[in-house]
Amino acid sequence: DAKTTQPTSMDCAEGRAANLPCNHSTISGNEYVYWYRQIHSQGPQYIIHGLKNNETNEMASLIITEDRKSSTLILPHATLRDTAVYYCIVKDSGYALNFGKGTSLLVTP
Amino acid sequence: NAGVMQNPRHLVRRRGQEARLRCSPMKGHSHVYWYRQLPEEGLKFMVYLQKENIIDESGMPKERFSAEFPKEGPSILRIQQVVRGDSAAYFCASPLRLQETQYFGPGTRLLVL
Repeated sequence: DAKTTQPTSMDCAEGRAANLPCNHSTISGNEYVYWYRQIHSQGPQYIIHGLKNNETNEMASLIITEDRKSSTLILPHATLRDTAVYYCIVKDSGYALNFGKGTSLLVTP
Repeated sequence: NAGVMQNPRHLVRRRGQEARLRCSPMKGHSHVYWYRQLPEEGLKFMVYLQKENIIDESGMPKERFSAEFPKEGPSILRIQQVVRGDSAAYFCASPLRLQETQYFGPGTRLLVL
């Protein structure tokens, strides 16, 4: 079972910031938080990952709380093309990514 | 999808036939993961391979499914005697090195009639 909890769905107006929360209260010290998204039925797309510091790249920002029990993915200016299912994944020392059900983000005009 | 290639993109088989799905990882990558996504569900890990070695097959069904990643050529996921329950999207992913970020291919949609 996935080690993360995400809301089932969220809406965001185009041009506004989309803030997607994720709870991972059982995360251990050497586990990373990864975010992927899946647009319609395409292959999952890597967005960002982090251990304990906040991270930013050209796609998004990742804010991890100091206790590491939760995080937030921020899409600063959401567009219609950001409509997708977003997966928050805690990656342990094992090999595989454990995808849960994710958050279905709908960006509206 | 960062250069990970899968073919065919769509595959239709009748019950009892064999399905072969191919995955070519990014150039220089020698690791491949296979995942399966059943309708309306998240991706589930199946198998992890390096060139000529199966590292972890804990997610593979015990029967009818096999995977290989030969020294030359793509990784192949083989499903023998397909059943309707095998209908799904099959994705492969490729990291540069062990434990690094996995980049996914576009997937193969298998439909078993």
